Amino acid sequence: DARVTQTPRDKVTEMGQEVTMRCQPILGHNTVFWYRQTMMQGLELLAYFRNRAPLDDSGMPKDRFSAEMPDATLATLKIQPSEPRDSAVYFCASGAPTSGSDEQFFGPGTRLTVL
Amino acid sequence: GNSVTQMEGPVTLSEEAFLTINCTYTATGYPSLFWYVQYPGEGLQLLLKATKADDKGSNKGFEATYRKETTSFHLEKGSVQVSDSAVYFCALSDDPNYGGATNKLIFGTGTLLAVQP
Repeated sequence: DARVTQTPRDKVTEMGQEVTMRCQPILGHNTVFWYRQTMMQGLELLAYFRNRAPLDDSGMPKDRFSAEMPDATLATLKIQPSEPRDSAVYFCASGAPTSGSDEQFFGPGTRLTVL
Repeated sequence: GNSVTQMEGPVTLSEEAFLTINCTYTATGYPSLFWYVQYPGEGLQLLLKATKADDKGSNKGFEATYRKETTSFHLEKGSVQVSDSAVYFCALSDDPNYGGATNKLIFGTGTLLAVQP
């Protein structure tokens, strides 16, 4: 049963600390998306990659957020320094649009709390 | 630009009631349309989809028909259960036949459904 995995599932940290969230996309998927979900803003697209290259990160605050794909099996989202307003659930999703399907498969999310 | 508008929640129903969650969209070309469901504490998962006009997507008793003339993709279920309580998201993808298509999904704001026994 192929699934997107995310670690950690929960993270509590103090303001100013670095936070790294990791995602393992489904094997063979070449597109990876990072979303942030809050009660106030709903679901926001932060960044996405195709074949490990960033295609769009316009939804991401550039001064503190960075997203990378060191290899095809790992995507990372870093926040440095973290702020209380970054508290949210961060979802990773993967897909394979070049195979003809637009479906995105979501991971279980990382719940981040910045104190 | 492309956008999705769905009815605000929460929607509260009794078990076995009929469900409709409205979704309308604005898009160029012929996007694919989706309904995703998010159960408490989980990520979103695909519920159903339709890729062209007049297509009907269906799954787990839920249905939605791609209506090009009204730019709508309303979600329906004839008899809801307590286990259907979740947040439902309508979404569209860019039409791959138009220049600049990204295959991103554009999501609506989500509609919380609460089904009471």
